[in-house]
Amino acid sequence: SQKIEQNSEALNIQEGKTATLTCNYTNYSPAYLQWYRQDPGRGPVFLLLIRENEKEKRKERLKVTFDTTLKQSLFHITASQPADSATYLCALDSADSWGKLQFGAGTQVVVTP
Amino acid sequence: GAVVSQHPSWVICKSGTSVKIECRSLDFQATTMFWYRQFPKQSLMLMATSNEGSKATYEQGVEKDKFLINHASLTLSTLTVTSAHPEDSSFYICSANEALGTDTQYFGPGTRLTVL
Repeated sequence: SQKIEQNSEALNIQEGKTATLTCNYTNYSPAYLQWYRQDPGRGPVFLLLIRENEKEKRKERLKVTFDTTLKQSLFHITASQPADSATYLCALDSADSWGKLQFGAGTQVVVTP
Repeated sequence: GAVVSQHPSWVICKSGTSVKIECRSLDFQATTMFWYRQFPKQSLMLMATSNEGSKATYEQGVEKDKFLINHASLTLSTLTVTSAHPEDSSFYICSANEALGTDTQYFGPGTRLTVL
């Protein structure tokens, strides 16, 4: 069965540094991978989508890489700010049907001033 | 980006009662919506796919008679938790793709259900 793994331990980082999160998956070859931000008590907010034929994607201070050989995606937040503190989820499309997503458990990021 | 709303944002009910949660796409039409459930400190788990004008498709292990889904229009899907029990207490979240064939999925703000 498909398995998605994200670092379960919170990532504590100082303001201005780069936060790097990892998403590993097994037993699957997704067509695309998405990253979401989730604040406590709120629904996920879409950040970036990267397709299997793309190596890297950027959006403002965010960067995502996708290595289908390693079955891994890295998510970077550069020049991190306290407002970036949240839980970040990676999600893969399902092989079953269009639109269905499978989520990792998420990694909490805490940015301190 | 596309906006998805949910109502109510939170609800407390007694065991044995039914609760209805609404999910609306505000500025786009969604032929397909998805319902997720999230327990504390856990990942989102897909419960069912809601299809406008047809029956919902449920994931393995999700009771379709307990979680009734109705997708009556292109902008509204409802999830009714019937005969709710304390173990149904969770965070329920809906989502939709902005347009048919696009991959970006937008999520509602979620509904916190507490069953006493």
